[in-house]
Amino acid sequence: DVKVTQSSRYLVKRTGEKVFLECVQDMDHENMFWYRQDPGLGLRLIYFSYDVKMKEKGDIPEGYSVSREKKERFSLILESASTNQTSMYLCASSLFGRGHNSPLHFGNGTRLTVT
Amino acid sequence: GQQLNQSPQSMFIQEGEDVSMNCTSSSIFNTWLWYKQDPGEGPVLLIALYKAGELTSNGRLTAQFGITRKDSFLNISASIPSDVGIYFCAGHRGTSYDKVIFGPGTSLSVIP
Repeated sequence: DVKVTQSSRYLVKRTGEKVFLECVQDMDHENMFWYRQDPGLGLRLIYFSYDVKMKEKGDIPEGYSVSREKKERFSLILESASTNQTSMYLCASSLFGRGHNSPLHFGNGTRLTVT
Repeated sequence: GQQLNQSPQSMFIQEGEDVSMNCTSSSIFNTWLWYKQDPGEGPVLLIALYKAGELTSNGRLTAQFGITRKDSFLNISASIPSDVGIYFCAGHRGTSYDKVIFGPGTSLSVIP
């Protein structure tokens, strides 16, 4: 079974702090994604990556950046956390090279609270 | 941008009842996906649909790809307590560079 592991289940950070959310997958998937989940809005794509050192903006990239130095690891960075970034963050991975049309495997999420 | 609508937003049902939910879009999709999110966990793929009119089952779950390609339906028969969770539909236009679009979810509660 594919395992996508997010390093923290819960995080509480202060406004202005730099925040790192880490995600590791163990199935050699090429594609990795970061979503945020908010009630009534579903899942919105922040950033994704098709390959090491490659990244592309999703629908809501403002205030975020990402890093993919190794194939199995995809990090989401909040350069200066703000209260409107309080949310559930979900990492996902998928197989089959470039593209979004293969099933997503999700981690269990990181619930971030910015105070 | 593209949006998906799901209805109902939430449902409270008695154990043993059947459940129906749907997902609609103003745009055509070539793939419809249904995910379930258990409380405290990430979403898990339940059913994928790739052809208009397709009806696919996974145990007690049955999903249909609407003929217009603008909607999809999910039915759960004889609900049990572990069906509790949020059900997301997702659509994809089918080319490698199109993103998967998620609906806002239907929250299901099952009363024992």
